[in-house]
Amino acid sequence: QSALTQPASVSGSPGQSITISCTGTNSDVGSYDLVSWYQQRPGKAPKLMIYEGTKRPSGVSNRFSGSKSGNTASLTISGLQAEDEADYYCCSYASTYNSLVFGGGTKLTVL
Amino acid sequence: QVQLVQSGAEVREPGASVEVSCKASGYTFTSYAIHWVRQAPGQGLEWMGRIVVGYGDTWYSQKFQGRVTISRDTSASTTYMVLSSLTSEDTAVYYCARNPVGTITLDYWGQGTLVTVSS
Repeated sequence: QSALTQPASVSGSPGQSITISCTGTNSDVGSYDLVSWYQQRPGKAPKLMIYEGTKRPSGVSNRFSGSKSGNTASLTISGLQAEDEADYYCCSYASTYNSLVFGGGTKLTVL
Repeated sequence: QVQLVQSGAEVREPGASVEVSCKASGYTFTSYAIHWVRQAPGQGLEWMGRIVVGYGDTWYSQKFQGRVTISRDTSASTTYMVLSSLTSEDTAVYYCARNPVGTITLDYWGQGTLVTVSS
């Protein structure tokens, strides 16, 4: 099954805001408010940052926010900090395959 | 606190099988599902399947159907993932992750287990 489409890389300077997109279809992202976002630092396990499209788990900074428009979900990080440098993955339920599907991942570089 | 502790790294020859375990603590084991996700070197995350621990109900990715088996031992609070007919393309880090039933959220992850397939 095809992965959700994310940009391979994004970058920003400290204090700026960046947005990572996650494009799917009306069989996954477009049909469910279930997109989650994960942060993965090198050599570490993924960490949940956003769930059900817009919700933040306890302990995650309010600089992280999620949204969706049509078949595209987005993760916005405001007030970029050096510690935000990591890979970010989106994930959705895909009804066509009755499975979870991940995006290909986006490497965030803080300049 | 919630913890998922996975078994150690494994090396297997092509054609063999591997079992990776995931021991849970800090929560009611039978009230959640456990998913398995893998990551090949330098690649992205790939969903493999899940088990609803309380019922034992399993659900697998079509890609791995017939080759993966997920099971659990509720007395040991442990989930197991067995992958058979290994090839070099199965070389990856395998993660288990906790999932509140009825959602797709993976809220806690194990530390990962490196499986290397090589002759």
